[in-house]
Amino acid sequence: KAGVTQTPRYLIKTRGQQVTLSCSPISGHRSVSWYQQTPGQGLQFLFEYFSETQRNKGNFPGRFSGRQFSNSRSEMNVSTLELGDSALYLCASRGETEQYFGPGTRLTVT
Amino acid sequence: GIQVEQSPPDLILQEGANSTLRCNFSDSVNNLQWFHQNPWGQLINLFYIPSGTKQNGRLSATTVATERYSLLYISSSQTTDSGVYFCAAGDYKLSFGAGTTVTVRA
Repeated sequence: KAGVTQTPRYLIKTRGQQVTLSCSPISGHRSVSWYQQTPGQGLQFLFEYFSETQRNKGNFPGRFSGRQFSNSRSEMNVSTLELGDSALYLCASRGETEQYFGPGTRLTVT
Repeated sequence: GIQVEQSPPDLILQEGANSTLRCNFSDSVNNLQWFHQNPWGQLINLFYIPSGTKQNGRLSATTVATERYSLLYISSSQTTDSGVYFCAAGDYKLSFGAGTTVTVRA
């Protein structure tokens, strides 16, 4: 089985712009979660989607949003980017038990 | 949410040494996972271990769910074991510890 894929792998944006990141889960997995990793805050949960519905949400501002499509692929969007949004964004898909992570998208905001 | 604490924060080992990493969590959990983050940032699954003991080569893990802690053992460490090890607990929402940075010297 192919693993979790994320695109793009690297991204440079300017403050105030918006960005969309994409994640394709492992085939058959219906749950997709997003995490943000920064040196200061570590790994933090953003949100989780299951069957196109947001089921869990972390403590992030409304500028962070996401969606899931009928094929379980997920996108997350960050609007009005701030310097503090520079981070590694990781997507995970979950089968019956454990979560499997993609390679991540490294976002730099200048 | 669940609080996860890992110790030690840093570990320096000589190649061939054994080590133990600890993870304490604040509440009962259905999911406890150990990951190794590679230099490119990807989290590699090591163990799914909500309870009991598992072994995979030179790595093994034990979770004592009733006492809310998990241990990751690295035996006969190699330079390729270097990196950051994370423990994460939860279900659909994983709470991560701050990680243990392991450096194995040749």
